[in-house]
Amino acid sequence: AQSVTQPDIHITVSEGASLELRCNYSYGATPYLFWYVQSPGQGLQLLLKYFSGDTLVQGIKGFEAEFKRSQSSFNLRKPSVHWSDAAEYFCAVVSTSGTYKYIFGTGTRLKVLA
Amino acid sequence: DADVTQTPRNRITKTGKRIMLECSQTKGHDRMYWYRQDPGLGLRLIYYSFDVKDINKGEISDGYSVSRQAQAKFSLSLESAIPNQTALYFCATSEMVTSEQFFGPGTRLTVL
Repeated sequence: AQSVTQPDIHITVSEGASLELRCNYSYGATPYLFWYVQSPGQGLQLLLKYFSGDTLVQGIKGFEAEFKRSQSSFNLRKPSVHWSDAAEYFCAVVSTSGTYKYIFGTGTRLKVLA
Repeated sequence: DADVTQTPRNRITKTGKRIMLECSQTKGHDRMYWYRQDPGLGLRLIYYSFDVKDINKGEISDGYSVSRQAQAKFSLSLESAIPNQTALYFCATSEMVTSEQFFGPGTRLTVL
């Protein structure tokens, strides 16, 4: 069955430090992959997406993610974190084979220290 | 104005009451979704609709029903609310099945 795993429930980084949030998926074919961000009290907003082509994708707010088929991973990165990046981050995969599924990971909550 | 709106934003109700959560969108998308969010569980799909005449159950549809009144409107009902339905509920839309989803601001529902 298709699934998405975000191994880190909470991550704390200092402002200005680099960030990597992990996402692993289980899917038979090349998936459609997404990263969303949820700021406190708000809905989810798309950061970036991968469908095909270049495995390094750029998103909004200075985020990027790299698709690694061999590792079934789609990790999110940012070179220098800002205090405003404190939020919850969700990885998601869309399954279009068989029953439609848009599967979200359980999320990683990011705390940024001043 | 927001592209996806949800009403109410907050609701407290009692066990056994019928509750309706409403969602409207101005994106012009055919596809609409209802999710619930619980701490540590991420978002789980309750129902989805690919057009006005197409309604499908999601992962956790038991205890819920939906109505797609028009392309722009998709309502979620709890026929007889129970405390474990206390959660944050999100409506979302997308242009295609594999597209980005656009989320509403959420409805925080508490069932006492």
